[in-house]
Amino acid sequence: DAGVIQSPRHEVTEMGQEVTLRCKPISGHDYLFWYRQTMMRGLELLIYFNNNVPIDDSGMPEDRFSAKMPNASFSTLKIQPSEPRDSAVYFCASRQQGLAFFGQGTRLTVV
Amino acid sequence: KQEVTQIPAALSVPEGENLVLNCSFTDSAIYNLQWFRQDPGKGLTSLLLIQSSQREQTSGRLNASLDKSSGRSTLYIAASQPGDSATYLCAVSSADVDQGGKLIFGQGTELSVKP
Repeated sequence: DAGVIQSPRHEVTEMGQEVTLRCKPISGHDYLFWYRQTMMRGLELLIYFNNNVPIDDSGMPEDRFSAKMPNASFSTLKIQPSEPRDSAVYFCASRQQGLAFFGQGTRLTVV
Repeated sequence: KQEVTQIPAALSVPEGENLVLNCSFTDSAIYNLQWFRQDPGKGLTSLLLIQSSQREQTSGRLNASLDKSSGRSTLYIAASQPGDSATYLCAVSSADVDQGGKLIFGQGTELSVKP
């Protein structure tokens, strides 16, 4: 397995634009997590899914953020509209039997 | 609400030293604890996973211990090398009925090993 795959690796967008981040978890993993990492706040959990069902989205900062997992192989995190304070590295992770693996992250810059 | 704390926030040691990184958590209701390494600009790499029923795990020069009742874990690195320089993060998987499976991270310890 190629591991957790995130795309794009880098995204630069203008304030107000819609941004969609994508994640392909490791096959067979039953949990999927979305995190945001900044120097100020460290690694923040945004939302996580179990068997494609959202379990806890209390970390999603605002209604501008939404996440979906339409099937076991794919998840998206959408920001609409984007703002400069959303600039961060966004990580996706999947887990099975307790062992979590992370993607390489998407570095988002909103100008 | 589970909280994870890592002390110290940063650590600088000379090459060859043995060192210990600390992780504490407030709620002992956990499934497991995982240690990760993060190099600058990179993703997180899993180092060790300790299940709640285990006391320690070893991989090469790394040894992680878990004392669930006191809410503590340590990561021991033997004979440190400059290549060990990175940020080390611990994460607990909550067994709380309202937070089942939630993976909660500490802020990390930034380790620098000087040649």
